[in-house]
Amino acid sequence: DTAVSQTPKYLVTQMGNDKSIKCEQNLGHDTMYWYKQDSKKFLKIMFSYNNKELIINETVPNRFSPKSPDKAHLNLHINSLELGDSAVYFCASSPSPETQYFGPGTRLLVL
Amino acid sequence: EDKVVQSPLSLVVHEGDTVTLNCSYEVTNFRSLLWYKQEKKAPTFLFMLTSSGIEKKSGRLSSILDKKELFSILNITATQTGDSAVYLCAGEYGNKLVFGAGTILRVKS
Repeated sequence: DTAVSQTPKYLVTQMGNDKSIKCEQNLGHDTMYWYKQDSKKFLKIMFSYNNKELIINETVPNRFSPKSPDKAHLNLHINSLELGDSAVYFCASSPSPETQYFGPGTRLLVL
Repeated sequence: EDKVVQSPLSLVVHEGDTVTLNCSYEVTNFRSLLWYKQEKKAPTFLFMLTSSGIEKKSGRLSSILDKKELFSILNITATQTGDSAVYLCAGEYGNKLVFGAGTILRVKS
């Protein structure tokens, strides 16, 4: 069984488009995260939700909007995509901050 | 600003060699340090260290934390080609992990 799943795995789109990435976890964890990993492999936290409530919102352009319809899902919507948004986006869930289970990642390429 | 710095950035060794990866951190309200291995996809958890001087081991991998000098090392003995990956360390505080840039390890056969 997949613990943390993301869709799509790959996303190629044009600048200016709006796209969403979905994340689901079946581990029963209360906390979920979005991370961005750039071309240099640097992994940086973007958002964290606990029980559908936003608890971490790093300095991320407001074109990025997370949405948590329930505690098993945390989706990421990106408006007006820019070239610099190209990266791998990882979702993670955790029972505690120090133990995070990562999804397989969504590779976004903005042309 | 919180930061985690890893060294070296990349490393190429031969099978059977022993490697040491370094991680230094400056994290406010630090609680723990974590090591992850990232191959082609998502990072997978290796170790969590909270106490100074206590070595954690898992097979050929071991890690230790020095909270006075604010660093941790990850040792891999008798390396194998399957150890080739990016190794990430992260400082944890509150509900956040602050990641280093990673060390790219390549083990040649």
